[in-house]
Amino acid sequence: GQQLNQSPQSMFIQEGEDVSMNCTSSSIFNTWLWYKQDPGEGPVLLIALYKAGELTSNGRLTAQFGITRKDSFLNISASIPSDVGIYFCANAGGTSYGKLTFGQGTILTVHP
Amino acid sequence: NAGVTQTPKFRVLKTGQSMTLLCAQDMNHEYMYWYRQDPGMGLRLIHYSVGEGTTAKGEVPDGYNVSRLKKQNFLLGLESAAPSQTSVYFCASSGLTRLNEKLFFGSGTQLSVL
Repeated sequence: GQQLNQSPQSMFIQEGEDVSMNCTSSSIFNTWLWYKQDPGEGPVLLIALYKAGELTSNGRLTAQFGITRKDSFLNISASIPSDVGIYFCANAGGTSYGKLTFGQGTILTVHP
Repeated sequence: NAGVTQTPKFRVLKTGQSMTLLCAQDMNHEYMYWYRQDPGMGLRLIHYSVGEGTTAKGEVPDGYNVSRLKKQNFLLGLESAAPSQTSVYFCASSGLTRLNEKLFFGSGTQLSVL
């Protein structure tokens, strides 16, 4: 099946720093999704992207749908302690019913 | 606002025992899913349902069964638990959005099989 490769696997940053992470695949997609999982909770949808080149923001978070349609990027500006968690890219692969494939996740730790 | 509720939150089983994980959603969603989360592997789809009375296999269905007798409930069963089924299990639901990509997740069930 399709595989989504996230990078980096983990990040340790200081409060106030900017963060960048990405997700790549060998397959072409029509949608890219970014979810965040807080410690002890289930993932929550942050941003959904529907078109190649699309740039979408949600507060301090900005995500981009790569031009090749095989990758996506997530940036967090001016990180704060509550940004701690695991960030997942995900994709439905063009199917319906929300059958998502998730990347391995990027674990973000923010030091005050 | 309950959303998606999973019970129990924690469970320890011995190899060969059986159990059922319960999931309930109060958002009148058509679609429901069971995922498992293992370190370094993201979330993997076990089974899903596109409506009351329907179920289908996901990516890793072996060793699990599911039932959706009522629209609001989705049950995940382990008939004979194995240590490889030690994981965190998440139930999710979604409604009729563009590609049903906005999944609402429960807070998870941590299962250990000894």
